[in-house]
Amino acid sequence: DAGVTQSPTHLIKTRGQQVTLRCSPKSGHDTVSWYQQALGQGPQFIFQYYEEEERQRGNFPDRFSGHQFPNYSSELNVNALLLGDSALYLCASSFGEPSYEQYFGPGTRLTVT
Amino acid sequence: RKEVEQDPGPFNVPEGATVAFNCTYSNSASQSFFWYRQDCRKEPKLLMSVYSSGNEDGRFTAQLNRASQYISLLIRDSKLSDSATYLCVVNIPGGSQGNLIFGKGTKLSVKP
Repeated sequence: DAGVTQSPTHLIKTRGQQVTLRCSPKSGHDTVSWYQQALGQGPQFIFQYYEEEERQRGNFPDRFSGHQFPNYSSELNVNALLLGDSALYLCASSFGEPSYEQYFGPGTRLTVT
Repeated sequence: RKEVEQDPGPFNVPEGATVAFNCTYSNSASQSFFWYRQDCRKEPKLLMSVYSSGNEDGRFTAQLNRASQYISLLIRDSKLSDSATYLCVVNIPGGSQGNLIFGKGTKLSVKP
């Protein structure tokens, strides 16, 4: 049973560029949540997708957008990258609503120079 | 006041020691509570859910006090492999910050 997978593992971008991160949920899960984890901090919620729609959003600017596909996989897009966007981006999957227990993927480490 | 607060540590303990982590949460609408473990540069992994009656899983015991809005995690007979950051997590359905609110984590280092 495959767990949550994310790609790429690492990414280096320059300021102003755009990036797309990908996530495949754990088998049987239909909800995907995205988190940003800066060094020394706990994960911060970006948004959550369920039934291909953004169900909930945290305090992140519109530069952060996402999508969920019919197979429940998801993408996170960040436009006009800033140095402060450097972080570990975590995808978590869960089943149903409310989404209690969430299982995390290994994350994508984004560095913006 | 932060939604979920933890002592950042680090807690440096010898093998075999008992160590306790505390966590407080500010939102009384919180419904579910968890402890996650995160190894260095890895993803958080669910360690255990926390129930009002308290629950135990081997060497790990979690307690919840809703009246005081306080959660604890006790690790008995610490192993070297317990070294990690322990994240206190609260679920607030429909909350503005999303379902899961994470504390900053408490770092544990178990020494031989």
